[in-house]
Amino acid sequence: DGGITQSPKYLFRKEGQNVTLSCEQNLNHDAMYWYRQDPGQGLRLIYYSQIVNDFQKGDIAEGYSVSREKKESFPLTVTSAQKNPTAFYLCASSIQPTSGPLVGQFFGPGTRLTVL
Amino acid sequence: AQKVTQAQTEISVVEKEDVTLDCVYETRDTTYYLFWYKQPPSGELVFLIRRNSFDEQNEISGRYSWNFQKSTSSFNFTITASQVVDSAVYFCALSEETSGSRLTFGEGTQLTVNP
Repeated sequence: DGGITQSPKYLFRKEGQNVTLSCEQNLNHDAMYWYRQDPGQGLRLIYYSQIVNDFQKGDIAEGYSVSREKKESFPLTVTSAQKNPTAFYLCASSIQPTSGPLVGQFFGPGTRLTVL
Repeated sequence: AQKVTQAQTEISVVEKEDVTLDCVYETRDTTYYLFWYKQPPSGELVFLIRRNSFDEQNEISGRYSWNFQKSTSSFNFTITASQVVDSAVYFCALSEETSGSRLTFGEGTQLTVNP
């Protein structure tokens, strides 16, 4: 089955520790994204990558880091510099068309991070 | 800059009522795409529809319909004869051609359908 996998679904960490959230896709999509969602709020873009070995900051990149060494994988590290890391994190992927209509993003099931 | 506004934070209806979720957007691009996603309690976002800026035809899919009006920069979503399973948070999103596949989301509307 093609899709996006995020693990684990729930993650608990102590304050001051770095934590890495995984995101894997087998859809052969070029672009991948990380969003943060806080209770009662919309999704805010943290980082995105349109091609392997390249990524760009989104709207709230401070305190986060990413890598894109493989097309299928786009892990997100929440560092101790992130002031309020407790949130729901969603990963997405999409085809990156060079022409033609935009298809849209497909989302993983999310990881709920709680920092104690 | 692109922006999406969903003015309705929460809507509560009784089963079988019709309900419309509003979405207003701002963009300077002439080519752009509009989306609706559903987020059930499980958290995963489910794609519902995509519309491009050159296609103003309304669309119907079962109990769901969408009204796209460029003149008012709106892309409203109507659920006819709502059901309890429709309870979820619904997000409207916009992508400009110049921003690639990057999406800007509205704040979302929490829809509760009561039996």
